[in-house]
Amino acid sequence: QVQLVQSGGGVVQPGKSLRLSCAASGFTFSSSGMHWVRQPPGKGLEWVAVISFDGSNTYHADSVMGRFTISRDNSKSTLYLQMNSLRPEDTAVYFCARGPVRWAFDVWGQGTMVSVSS
Amino acid sequence: DIQMTQSPSSLSASVGDRVTITCRASQGISNYLAWYQQKPGKAPKLLIYEASTLQSGVPSRFSGSGSGTDFTLTISSLQPEDVATYYCQRYNNSPRTFGQGTTVEIK
Repeated sequence: QVQLVQSGGGVVQPGKSLRLSCAASGFTFSSSGMHWVRQPPGKGLEWVAVISFDGSNTYHADSVMGRFTISRDNSKSTLYLQMNSLRPEDTAVYFCARGPVRWAFDVWGQGTMVSVSS
Repeated sequence: DIQMTQSPSSLSASVGDRVTITCRASQGISNYLAWYQQKPGKAPKLLIYEASTLQSGVPSRFSGSGSGTDFTLTISSLQPEDVATYYCQRYNNSPRTFGQGTTVEIK
């Protein structure tokens, strides 16, 4: 079936790095734009980043620009989020989601928790 | 960037009540508007896209309307399983901004 399975996450100290992964199956991953969305504890959803189907275009939210990088490996049907210079305010559950151009997010990963704390 | 504003932030209604949530965009977004339902500890679930098209498998008591800047999500007869937080989202371009959410509870 169509699914996104996330891995990575955990507890990390401020200023450190972490990489999240999102493995796709059941659909043609290489044809779809993909996104990361995060949700701080007890708060709403915040869109983080998008990557085009072929990886040629990316766009990051102002809050993570210059620190986070979205990427993909279509040969492995996997999406990534490289998070550098992490801050306590980056603490959140991170979701990956399928979202082609001008299309809603119809498939979501299960979410993975990232906690930034000393 | 275009901002999305939902109201109310929370509501309490009885089983069987008609519930309406509104979402306003700071600029026109045509009909590139989606509604999601999120239950505690779970990923969001797509309910409606293109402002009024019901996603496959979503109960028909959910409906959406609007275009341009003003949108509405309606639950025609609230059920216990509808207790959740609902988010609107624009997807005409990036950033794909979400509204701040509306929490629906049973009275």
